[in-house]
Amino acid sequence: EADIYQTPRYLVIGTGKKITLECSQTMGHDKMYWYQQDPGMELHLIHYSYGVNSTEKGDLSSESTVSRIRTEHFPLTLESARPSHTSQYLCASSGPAWYQETQYFGPGTRLLVL
Amino acid sequence: GENVEQHPSTLSVQEGDSAVIKCTYSDSASNYFPWYKQELGKGPQLIIDIRSNVGEKKDQRIAVTLNKTAKHFSLHITETQPEDSAVYFCAGTPGNNDMRFGAGTRLTVKP
Repeated sequence: EADIYQTPRYLVIGTGKKITLECSQTMGHDKMYWYQQDPGMELHLIHYSYGVNSTEKGDLSSESTVSRIRTEHFPLTLESARPSHTSQYLCASSGPAWYQETQYFGPGTRLLVL
Repeated sequence: GENVEQHPSTLSVQEGDSAVIKCTYSDSASNYFPWYKQELGKGPQLIIDIRSNVGEKKDQRIAVTLNKTAKHFSLHITETQPEDSAVYFCAGTPGNNDMRFGAGTRLTVKP
């Protein structure tokens, strides 16, 4: 079983607040990803990283930002949360940057912005 | 870029029947095709995968077939059980390493 963790699991917050969603993996994977998903619906890639100091925007435009200072850690930050940010956020990681293999997903963070 | 289409979007079967979910991809450079199962309140979990040098792979009640010529691959679940009820996602990986997911299939197995 993959060791990838997300905190918090659930977050209810007011409009305008700054939030950071945490994601950590202990597998030494180079690649990490953030997806936005309405429960049970399509996965939308919003950010990805192929290694330390590497971050790229995904297919879905997002007001969030990410950083990759350490291999195991890939936090996502929303500077000013809005109700339109209400969704589930899934973090994933996969192995060497040069090889295609499966992505391992964390349990997700369910965000509700009031 | 790669485009992965998945059908059907919803599927309802009787317990014990078989279920088949189909995906097509557009990029002939894609060479890795995983299938994920997502249960309520959880992240997607890999259930089976196949690489382009293989035509079929089985793991107990689940199997995946790949037709590279036609650019499609399918998930087959036999002897379905209520615990198979979930959302299933297929994915393809084109040459630039970005995995592309299908839109998902919600499978319901009726007892």
